[in-house]
Amino acid sequence: SQTIHQWPATLVQPVGSPLSLECTVEGTSNPNLYWYRQAAGRGLQLLFYSVGIGQISSEVPQNLSASRPQDRQFILSSKKLLLSDSGFYLCAWGASASFRAFGSGTRLTVV
Amino acid sequence: DQQVKQNSPSLSVQEGRISILNCDYTNSMFDYFLWYKKYPAEGPTFLISISSIKDKNEDGRFTVFLNKSAKHLSLHIVPSQPGDSAVYFCAARVSGSARQLTFGSGTQLTVLP
Repeated sequence: SQTIHQWPATLVQPVGSPLSLECTVEGTSNPNLYWYRQAAGRGLQLLFYSVGIGQISSEVPQNLSASRPQDRQFILSSKKLLLSDSGFYLCAWGASASFRAFGSGTRLTVV
Repeated sequence: DQQVKQNSPSLSVQEGRISILNCDYTNSMFDYFLWYKKYPAEGPTFLISISSIKDKNEDGRFTVFLNKSAKHLSLHIVPSQPGDSAVYFCAARVSGSARQLTFGSGTQLTVLP
């Protein structure tokens, strides 16, 4: 069975510090991988999408970047965090064209 | 521009009664709709879905209704249980687009014992 791992669960970072959130998927190969952010009252906003190693699509302009160094690894990064980057970040993989399986999320607080 | 809207941020229901969560959409190209359930500090989990060729899909206590002419879908939970208390997101997919689902802003359901 497929499982998705996301860490850390919570993170408090000062403004201007770097960020690295990691997500890995087990039990599947060549998955479509996604990074979402949940902001209050805004639902789940798609940030990045990847169909394969090194292939990243950005859905919204922002202070963040994503990388896919390995088939089942997806990383969300920032060189310098802003206060507005605070939120709940979710990694997901596309089990099908319609279905998303989500990780447990990371609560990021930028102070 | 929010293409998928959940206009009720919260809903409280007595245990044993019916919970009805609503979702409206504006994009007539959406052809597949899903409901996700999310507990605090956890990722959303898939609950139930419906294709645009149907108007109803039922799975145990959960039923999703689709009204294409009104661009409206709803999730019915009968009977409601305290464990159903969570945030419910509706999501929609455009035909032929595997890139993304468009999510609503969520509705916090609280089932009172």
